[in-house]
Amino acid sequence: GAVVSQHPSRVICKSGTSVKIECRSLDFQATTMFWYRQFPKQSLMLMATSNEGSKATYEQGVEKDKFLINHASLTLSTLTVTSAHPEDSSFYICSARVNRENTIYFGEGSWLTVV
Amino acid sequence: GQNIDQPTEMTATEGAIVQINCTYQTSGFNGLFWYQQHAGEAPTFLSYNVLDGLEEKGRFSSFLSRSKGYSYLLLKELQMKDSASYLCAVRDRYSNSGYALNFGKGTSLLVTP
Repeated sequence: GAVVSQHPSRVICKSGTSVKIECRSLDFQATTMFWYRQFPKQSLMLMATSNEGSKATYEQGVEKDKFLINHASLTLSTLTVTSAHPEDSSFYICSARVNRENTIYFGEGSWLTVV
Repeated sequence: GQNIDQPTEMTATEGAIVQINCTYQTSGFNGLFWYQQHAGEAPTFLSYNVLDGLEEKGRFSSFLSRSKGYSYLLLKELQMKDSASYLCAVRDRYSNSGYALNFGKGTSLLVTP
C-alpha cells in the first residue's frame, strides 16, 4: 500500500517554542492531506485539511494561528505548533488521500511533549 | 456532524470470531472505513465500504447497511496480535473537507489465550 512518512516520530520542546512536524507521501501524489490529534485513550480528532497550493481548512475550535499548516508540494505538508504549551502535548498524525482513490493512509504519528 | 458509536471494550478468545459493531448518523454518507490501531502507533487501514453488503479480506470482513446506519467488522480465527483498538470512521461529503474521516472512539479488543 501507499506509504506516508512523518517526521519526527518523537519531539520534546520547551514551553513557548515552536515545533514543526513533516508529513510526506513517499510513492504517490497527495493533493489533500489531513492532520489529526489524539490524546491518550481517545479517538483521533480532525484538526485541519491541508490542500496543496491553498490555505488549510480548519475544524471548529482549532486555532489556525497556533497550528500553522503549509502544503507546499504534492508530497509534503507541514504542521507547526507555535508557542507550544504543555496542554499541546499529544500524538499528532497526518494522513493522505491517494488521488482518484478512496483509501486514506496514515503516517506513523509524532509524539509531542512540551515541558 | 456525525455520531459514531462503537463499544468501548471487547474481549474474545484466541481462535474465536468477534464482531465489532458501529452505528453512525451523517447527512452525506460517503463511505465507512475500519482501521486497526496498536497502542502508540498510527492506524492501519483494514477495510472500506460504500455500498451495502459484505466485503471480505482474509480473516477480516466488514458489513454495511446504509439504511440502518450500521456497520460491523468481523474478525475470524483470532490471534493474540489482533489485540488492538479498532476504529470506525465515516466520511461525509458535506463536511468542511469532503474527504476527511471522522472517527468513533474506538473499540479496544483484548484477545486472551
